[in-house]
Amino acid sequence: DGGITQSPKYLFRKEGQNVTLSCEQNLNHDAMYWYRQDPGQGLRLIYYSQIVNDFQKGDIAEGYSVSREKKESFPLTVTSAQKNPTAFYLCASSIDPDRDEAFFGQGTRLTVV
Amino acid sequence: AQTVTQSQPEMSVQEAETVTLSCTYDTSESNYYLFWYKQPPSRQMILVIRQEAYKQQNATENRFSVNFQKAAKSFSLKISDSQLGDTAMYFCAFINTGANSKLTFGKGITLSVRP
Repeated sequence: DGGITQSPKYLFRKEGQNVTLSCEQNLNHDAMYWYRQDPGQGLRLIYYSQIVNDFQKGDIAEGYSVSREKKESFPLTVTSAQKNPTAFYLCASSIDPDRDEAFFGQGTRLTVV
Repeated sequence: AQTVTQSQPEMSVQEAETVTLSCTYDTSESNYYLFWYKQPPSRQMILVIRQEAYKQQNATENRFSVNFQKAAKSFSLKISDSQLGDTAMYFCAFINTGANSKLTFGKGITLSVRP
């Protein structure tokens, strides 16, 4: 079945450690997105990529990094520079970033202790 | 910059009744797309309905319909015959066309359907 897979579903890390969240899609979509969801904040855009080897910062990119070496994969690294990394992270993809709806993964809950 | 505003944080409706969720947006673009997404307790984001700005006709999907007022930059979602399974967070979202287009979400509204 086609879809977007985020792993792991739950992730625990110690403060000061970098951590990478995985996002893989087999929908052949060009565009991919990373969002952060906090209570009362909605979904805030971290990074997005419209094509392989290219990506742009979203509204809250500080403390995060991404890569887009393959069309299917868009991993997100939460670095130690992110001041408040505990959150629910959602990855999404779309066929045409100019017009099409995004399809979402099931999310990763990151807890930093 | 484009923004999406959902001013009602929570709403409640009796089962089988109709409820309307509000959304306004701000953009300088003339062509764009609007969406409503549902996020049930499982936290899986599900597309409810899509509206193209250049189409005057309001989109409809079964019990879900929108009231799109382009001049007022308003995009409300009407849920008819509410069901218990409609209990979820609902997010309004917007995407503009053109360079570096991106999908922007509102803060969401929590809808509770009472039996």
